[in-house]
Amino acid sequence: GAGVSQSPSNKVTEKGKDVELRCDPISGHTALYWYRQSLGQGLEFLIYFQGNSAPDKSGLPSDRFSAERTGGSVSTLTIQRTQQEDSAVYLCASSLRGLAGGELFFGEGSRLTVL
Amino acid sequence: TQLLEQSPQFLSIQEGENLTVYCNSSSVFSSLQWYRQEPGEGPVLLVTVVTGGEVKKLKRLTFQFGDARKDSSLHITAAQPGDTGLYLCAGAGSGGSNYKLTFGKGTLLTVNP
Repeated sequence: GAGVSQSPSNKVTEKGKDVELRCDPISGHTALYWYRQSLGQGLEFLIYFQGNSAPDKSGLPSDRFSAERTGGSVSTLTIQRTQQEDSAVYLCASSLRGLAGGELFFGEGSRLTVL
Repeated sequence: TQLLEQSPQFLSIQEGENLTVYCNSSSVFSSLQWYRQEPGEGPVLLVTVVTGGEVKKLKRLTFQFGDARKDSSLHITAAQPGDTGLYLCAGAGSGGSNYKLTFGKGTLLTVNP
């Protein structure tokens, strides 16, 4: 596709369940980012991938959060034992090489609601 | 931790008015970007400023990077309803962390016809 694709666009789950969020970046973009956007908050950095490696995962809020990237392309963000405070929009972005003044291209996000 | 403070948080104006949005930090950034986000969509890049004191114009939008590369402003002239959206500033770290963007909380702009 032409842009960053995320799925599902909306996910409603019960507290304690696991969820997987998928990101399909722009073809050829080596850098991939996950951010979280809560109501009234800015974008909170979660994790950065360069290729399949994650040199910076410092933003993951707890060990319930994990992410992987395969084939230098698709990434999955997994949240285990979801809590209500995990409710937010999860945004994925890709970049040609990694910022250094370059542009991040964002997907439309996955809205997660934990009941 | 690098923090970016944006002000105002909310702004509602009439079509044709001018406005300025501010983005301030105590940290130095290697570059600063402004994004615009509409409901249900991801942020879209408007501009990147790199040099202290730099001014960039994009039609009715004027962006300025502070001399010390710690702050920035966005000025919109003769605002139109199509300018409505969430404006986010984002700073890139320096050196080995220049891959990482730190975002402000945003300014939600509403331009009424």
